Amino acid sequence: EIVLTQSPATLSLSPGERATLSCGASQTVGSNYLAWFQQKPGLAPRLLIYDASSRATGIPDRFSGSGSGTDFTLTISRLEPEDFALYYCLQYGRSPYTFGQGTKLEIK
Amino acid sequence: EVQLLESGGGLVQPGGSLRLSCTASGFTFSNYAMSWVRQAPGKRLEWVSAIRGSGENIYFADSVKGRFTISRDNSKNTLHLQLNSLRAEDTAVYYCASPPLHYASTWAHYYFEYWGQGTLVTVSS
Repeated sequence: EIVLTQSPATLSLSPGERATLSCGASQTVGSNYLAWFQQKPGLAPRLLIYDASSRATGIPDRFSGSGSGTDFTLTISRLEPEDFALYYCLQYGRSPYTFGQGTKLEIK
Repeated sequence: EVQLLESGGGLVQPGGSLRLSCTASGFTFSNYAMSWVRQAPGKRLEWVSAIRGSGENIYFADSVKGRFTISRDNSKNTLHLQLNSLRAEDTAVYYCASPPLHYASTWAHYYFEYWGQGTLVTVSS
């Protein structure tokens, strides 16, 4: 199975700053089938990005995804207070679908 | 508006069984593949099982193969997950999840756009 490794484990930033989250895959993710989710305590994950770089419906344009092959990035251009949460990547290019271990974005 | 509502979670002893349900609304349920994803406390999300719209194609993670079964009743817009031979490591919040509305049954792969609120399964004596 494809193992996804996210870095850093924790990212401490201030509102207004730029956040860069990474997701590395142990094998090439076919067709760049890579998604990003945001999760807040007690809630279900919320889809942000699919197909590595396409924003989901209703997601602000400060969220962007990039990358291909085995290296992917989620960028939040200017952090808003509501952006501090857990972020997961998901590969759906090969079964079984697998998630990264998450990056916690916390307020500095 | 797409809505997914899970039910059936609870406390069960090791070796016991539980049946989870997910009731869907806001889309033509029978046209969409559906999945179960779980999250153990403090752990990453884990895909568990998936079923195609017709119910003919079924998939399981190795960690639950042979113990869990998935089914659907398209006449009632309901997805089920039967959990048997439960272990402590099955303790988790179980989510049902569905693909985007523009999903086509010809898709070999899909991401999870819609999620239920989750139902907690606790396996403990």
